[in-house]
This record gives sequence, structure tokens and C-alpha cells, in this order.
Amino acid sequence: EAQVTQNPRYLITVTGKKLTVTCSQNMNHEYMSWYRQDPGLGLRQIYYSMNVEVTDKGDVPEGYKVSRKEKRNFPLILESPSPNQTSLYFCASGQREVEQFFGPGTRLTVL
Amino acid sequence: EDQVTQSPEALRLQEGESSSLNCSYTVSGLRGLFWYRQDPGKGPEFLFTLYSAGEEKEKERLKATLTKKESFLHITAPKPEDSATYLCAARRIAGGKLIFGQGTELSVKP
Repeated sequence: EAQVTQNPRYLITVTGKKLTVTCSQNMNHEYMSWYRQDPGLGLRQIYYSMNVEVTDKGDVPEGYKVSRKEKRNFPLILESPSPNQTSLYFCASGQREVEQFFGPGTRLTVL
Repeated sequence: EDQVTQSPEALRLQEGESSSLNCSYTVSGLRGLFWYRQDPGKGPEFLFTLYSAGEEKEKERLKATLTKKESFLHITAPKPEDSATYLCAARRIAGGKLIFGQGTELSVKP
């Protein structure tokens, strides 16, 4: 089954404790991206990747890092999380820069 | 500044009552206009991509159209299962950023 998986689905952490949210797709897509969704602000792009070892900033990259060492994986790293990073996060993948498949989401709470 | 605006914010329809959702965009050098459906607590589900003014795409009861300033999502004879939030997004030619609108929350009552 074609899918994008994210882990964990839910996470409660404390300020400053480094965390990684994993994202994996099984469709051999070149394009992957990360979004955060907040009430009143909608979906905002954090980072995207056109292919392996090619990443670029979206609209709200501050406080986040990504890496794309393999085609299927695109982890999102929060080196020092802060409460304003509390949000619902989605990973997406697709062909030719089209977000065709979104993951189920990771709900992150930073205390 | 690039912007995508959707209207109305919420729309309530009776089953079978056709209507349209609007997406206005100000994006320099549009690379693509996208429509998604999002159910509560889930990730967006891809519906359509439109690339040039005059283009139309259809899927079941949904039809998306594109002009140089707007896109419309027409819903014909909706059913309760069409209830969801519909999101519009635009991508610029320069860079791969995707800009989403706030969405239209559609409710279809039987």
C-alpha cells in the first residue's frame, strides 16, 4: 500500500530536549516536504527536498533542521524545541513537486 | 507578497445543493494550483493540480477550474460524505515553496 508514515504520532516533551520526527515513504518519490498546521494560520511549509541531498527552506524553517540521505526518508529535527513549536506536523511526498501523499500527522507538545 | 485566500470560511449545504468554493491567489509566476481535502485529525488528501488558466479537472462530484487570479472548486449534488475542509495551495515558479489558503469548511446535511 502506497503510504507516508510518521513517527511518533504523538509526543509531549520539554523545552530544549532534542527530538526527531521520522518520515518515510514507500513510493520512490523524489520530492518530500514538511509542514506545520496551526489554528488560524493553516498549513505552512517548513522545509522541502527535491531529491537526495537536496533540501531548501520553506516559509517557517527557523528552529528546524532536515536531512535527506536516502530517497525514502526525510526526518525533521528540532535541536532545542520551544513551546512555540507546539503544533501538528505533516510530512508529504510526491512526484514533480506535487504533494500527492500526506502522512497521518505528528501532534507535538513542547512544555 | 504571495498570498492565497479562500472563501467562504465555512459553507453549509443541503444534500444535493450544488455550490462553489473560491480560491484567490496573488503569486508571481504560478507553477501550479492545488486542491486538497482534509478530514478532521487527518492529513490532506490530494485532489487536483491545475497549471494554466482555462484548465479544468473533474473527479466524481468535484470540478476544479483556474483563471489568472482565481480557482474554483465546484461541487455538484453534494453528499454528506463530501463534508470536509477543502484546501487550496499555490506554488511559485521561483522556488518550491507551497502556500496554502486557510481552507473552506464544508458541511453537507442530509
